[in-house]
Amino acid sequence: DQQVKQNSPSLSVQEGRISILNCDYTNSMFDYFLWYKKYPAEGPTFLISISSIKDKNEDGRFTVFLNKSAKHLSLHIVPSQPGDSAVYFCAAEGLMRAQKLVFGQGTRLTINP
Amino acid sequence: NAGVTQTPKFRILKIGQSMTLQCTQDMNHNYMYWYRQDPGMGLKLIYYSVGAGITDKGEVPNGYNVSRSTTEDFPLRLELAAPSQTSVYFCASSSQPSGISTDTQYFGPGTRLTVL
Repeated sequence: DQQVKQNSPSLSVQEGRISILNCDYTNSMFDYFLWYKKYPAEGPTFLISISSIKDKNEDGRFTVFLNKSAKHLSLHIVPSQPGDSAVYFCAAEGLMRAQKLVFGQGTRLTINP
Repeated sequence: NAGVTQTPKFRILKIGQSMTLQCTQDMNHNYMYWYRQDPGMGLKLIYYSVGAGITDKGEVPNGYNVSRSTTEDFPLRLELAAPSQTSVYFCASSSQPSGISTDTQYFGPGTRLTVL
């Protein structure tokens, strides 16, 4: 039962263009969503988050959009840079779940020069 | 400020052996977690703790045990290693639930475990 799904295992984008990573969830009790970035041989690092009371959150080059009716969120990176090449994980949490995050499978983003 | 540290970085075990994966955080966080990541999969929660002396099962607890005697340390014990436990293990900590604040989980670098 995969409650959080990232259906694209990989994505290749040219440097300077926009990268769009997608995530779908099935559990309507989720009310907080996070994106983590992971480089090889390192632990995931927090990138950006969004509460279910919002539909957009922006932080520099990174913007997360939430569509609650579609149970879908997306991460936009613009402009994409070579250092953005990493695996990106979407995660979701319900408020009463003591921050028990549920992760998607991850999407490997490659930025080509 | 080292954040979350994990030892060892790599380990190869034989079937039936036991070992303890160590995790320490120096941020005085109450919440600590253990995850495993299998190839091509997301992270799955094994156990978590909301404070010293309090632990609870996550999604995939079978074959593992934990203890939390101090705020800083949260070791993960494998008693009878099986090939299905071959994975990368991540420890994480946070100060409070992310649904309440903008705080989030901070992850260690991981332990790559192979059971042969």
